[in-house]
Amino acid sequence: KNEVEQSPQNLTAQEGEFITINCSYSVGISALHWLQQHPGGGIVSLFMLSSGKKKHGRLIATINIQEKHSSLHITASHPRDSAVYICAGSPMNRDDKIIFGKGTRLHILP
Amino acid sequence: KAGVTQTPRYLIKTRGQQVTLSCSPISGHRSVSWYQQTPGQGLQFLFEYFSETQRNKGNFPGRFSGRQFSNSRSEMNVSTLELGDSALYLCASSSQGVAFGYTFGSGTRLTVV
Repeated sequence: KNEVEQSPQNLTAQEGEFITINCSYSVGISALHWLQQHPGGGIVSLFMLSSGKKKHGRLIATINIQEKHSSLHITASHPRDSAVYICAGSPMNRDDKIIFGKGTRLHILP
Repeated sequence: KAGVTQTPRYLIKTRGQQVTLSCSPISGHRSVSWYQQTPGQGLQFLFEYFSETQRNKGNFPGRFSGRQFSNSRSEMNVSTLELGDSALYLCASSSQGVAFGYTFGSGTRLTVV
């Protein structure tokens, strides 16, 4: 079992729908990252959070430390949001490695 | 402010050869980390360098090595290439380390034939 699990693996939705991607982790982490990867490979860091909630435009990320769970929400989804979304856990110990989820492939239909 | 620059963008090599990939971090960033991404395994951490010292290493064979120069530029080397080494190799730079936020380069897509 992966130490960082994402769901769903694949998600197809209509433009305008509210999107939720979930991430659960089983190890102690100092921070949880959400990354976006478009076709072609480039990765953009969307959020880094260690508690509560962060918002950037139509994107919202939340984390519940006690439940070891984070969610990424997209409001008013748009076809340009189509990408792979990856969550990753930064280690508590600076010398440990970062752990990635397998990613959620999101496809927004116009 | 220039981003993280990886060269080359694409590379085709033959099994058994070796390859060197380059990563220039954002100016002032001292941490460079490397990752391998394949369809089957997803993103996996290779190693992180901070101020020319390897700070951490993932679970990859010794054929994968790296180094960091005094100007923080980093190189990754893979020797005796295998077909399974075909992947997208990404580097990321950070001012203090991966726990504090990082910026990715566009990656080098390596194909081993």
